[in-house]
Amino acid sequence: DVQMTQSPSYLAASPGESVSISCKASKSISNNLAWYQEKPGKANKLLIHSGSTLQSGTPSRFSGSGSGTDFTLTIRSLESEDFAVYYCQQYNEYPLTFGSGTKLEIK
Amino acid sequence: EVKLVESGGGLVQPGRSLKLSCAASGFSFNDYWMGWVRQAPGKGLEWIGEINQDSSTINYTPSLKDKFTISRDNAQNTLYLQMSKLGSEDTAIYYCARAVLSPMDAWGQGASVTVSS
Repeated sequence: DVQMTQSPSYLAASPGESVSISCKASKSISNNLAWYQEKPGKANKLLIHSGSTLQSGTPSRFSGSGSGTDFTLTIRSLESEDFAVYYCQQYNEYPLTFGSGTKLEIK
Repeated sequence: EVKLVESGGGLVQPGRSLKLSCAASGFSFNDYWMGWVRQAPGKGLEWIGEINQDSSTINYTPSLKDKFTISRDNAQNTLYLQMSKLGSEDTAIYYCARAVLSPMDAWGQGASVTVSS
C-alpha cells in the first residue's frame, strides 16, 4: 500500500496568515492526489484534485502543488471558516490511502 | 443539490452483521462510481472501497475485503455496505461518497456504527 505521511498533525495560526501542509507518499503517485476538508457537522469537502486543480467552489486562497512523492496544500490569508482538519489522499493505485490529517486551529 | 444520506447504523454485538444504505439524490446515480470511507473515534479517514456504475468492478482495501461487501441498486439510487463478523475495531462513522475518477467530490454526513456487547 502507498503510505501517505502528512505533516504537521497540528497547526495553530491566526486569521490572515498563510499556512502550508505537507503530504509525502511512500512511492511516486504522479499527480494523483486530492485534498479534503473536514468540519464538524458538515460533509467532507473535496478541495483539490490532481495535485493542484481546484474543485469547483474552492476559494482561490487554497492552492496545491507537487507531483511524484511530495505535495503541499497552501492556504493564503486564512479566514475563520478555514479552521478545520485537512486530509490528503492518493488515488494512483488501490487501495486508496489517506494521510493522517492536519488539524488547523485558531491561535 | 447532490445529497447522500446514510442509514442503518447503530449498536451491534461483536460477531454480528450489519448493512448500511446510502440514498443518493440530485444527480444521475448510475453515471458515477460510489465509495465508502470510515473514521474510527479520534482517528483519520480509512478508505473501504468503491464500486463502478454497473457493479462490474468493485475495489476494496485488502484488510476488509473478506468482511465487507459493497453493492448498489441503480433503480433505487442506493449504495450499500454489508458488514459481517464485526469487531470493536469496526466501530466508526461510515461515510458514503461519490467518486469522480477516484477523488470523492460529494460525501454524506455519515452513519455511526458501534460494535459492543
